[in-house]
Amino acid sequence: EPEVTQTPSHQVTQMGQEVILRCVPISNHLYFYWYRQILGQKVEFLVSFYNNEISEKSEIFDDQFSVERPDGSNFTLKIRSTKLEDSAMYFCASRTTQGTEAFFGQGTRLTVV
Amino acid sequence: KNEVEQSPQNLTAQEGEFITINCSYSVGISALHWLQQHPGGGIVSLFMLSSGKKKHGRLIATINIQEKHSSLHITASHPRDSAVYICAVNYGGSQGNLIFGKGTKLSVKP
Repeated sequence: EPEVTQTPSHQVTQMGQEVILRCVPISNHLYFYWYRQILGQKVEFLVSFYNNEISEKSEIFDDQFSVERPDGSNFTLKIRSTKLEDSAMYFCASRTTQGTEAFFGQGTRLTVV
Repeated sequence: KNEVEQSPQNLTAQEGEFITINCSYSVGISALHWLQQHPGGGIVSLFMLSSGKKKHGRLIATINIQEKHSSLHITASHPRDSAVYICAVNYGGSQGNLIFGKGTKLSVKP
């Protein structure tokens, strides 16, 4: 069964360092998303991406964040200079069209120390 | 403000019990999702619905658009159903981003 894969599963980084979280969406999907879940809190939307550009983003997705689809298969989330409060589980999701079910990856747990 | 409220927050059941988890939302939506989050953190989509009722195995999801309310039912619950169940909605006009509830933590005891 096709699935969304995320790497790494866990990343520990020093405050101020740049991190790149990677996602491989399902191959025929067109819409891509990043969400985050701070420990003990609800999942929050970060950004949606369609047709090689950001289609929607939340207040959380500030200038420290960027997304890219560098090679037609990977979908990456970059955090330029990590802060302690960026520690969270980051989920990638994809779907074929807007009206269909979203498929989630297993998440990357980011710990900023 | 677009809100998604779930109840109960925590639920403990005995194996075999019928379980209901509720979700209400504040404004019109284009779709509602029920998701399951495993103890390891991964999220699995269970249902996406915009009207009526859907069934998959022992899971049933219903939605009442007029009342802005959805329920997730689990029949003949089993310890492997223990997880966090999350309701999330697509609000009309969004590009497909989801607004999530806080989740209901279900624990099914043998």
